[in-house]
Amino acid sequence: DAGVTQSPTHLIKTRGQQVTLRCSPKSGHDTVSWYQQALGQGPQFIFQYYEEEERQRGNFPDRFSGHQFPNYSSELNVNALLLGDSALYLCASTVLNEQFFGPGTRLTVL
Amino acid sequence: AQSVTQLGSHVSVSEGALVLLRCNYSSSVPPYLFWYVQYPNQGLQLLLKYTSAATLVKGINGFEAEFKKSETSFHLTKPSAHMSDAAEYFCAAGTGGFKTIFGAGTRLFVKA
Repeated sequence: DAGVTQSPTHLIKTRGQQVTLRCSPKSGHDTVSWYQQALGQGPQFIFQYYEEEERQRGNFPDRFSGHQFPNYSSELNVNALLLGDSALYLCASTVLNEQFFGPGTRLTVL
Repeated sequence: AQSVTQLGSHVSVSEGALVLLRCNYSSSVPPYLFWYVQYPNQGLQLLLKYTSAATLVKGINGFEAEFKKSETSFHLTKPSAHMSDAAEYFCAAGTGGFKTIFGAGTRLFVKA
């Protein structure tokens, strides 16, 4: 059984650009959460998707948006990138009060 | 506001020594508490979780944590450190399936 997968592994963008990150949850998991982990910090909750709807959102601007597809996979979109958006973006799928994390996508904004 | 505080950004122990990583949570934090480990360039792996069933929780790799409501603490321990335990450790709190709040992390160094 494949775990949570994320793509791409690494990404380099310049300020002002847009980026899309992708996540496939563990088989049978219908809930996906996204986190931003800046260097030297703990992950910060961005939002969570369930049944293709955003169920809960953290303290992130509207530049951060997402989507969940019928197969439960999810995308995280970030518009108008800032230098401060450089971070490891983690996706987690959830079942029975336990979250399973993917390896993350390392985004560097130059 | 809900918060999780990890005391000590870095902890260094000798191989074979006791590992103690400290975590305190705000009293308004939801009932589930977790410890995760993160190895370089990897995602988070769940070590253990507290869900109110028992105050002493045993996890993987010999780690355990004790929930103390009176002290609002959930410290992580391991009797004997191994070189492979060197990693970043995160304490977290949440409702399990919803928003999870993480501490800033503690980097554990293990000396030979």
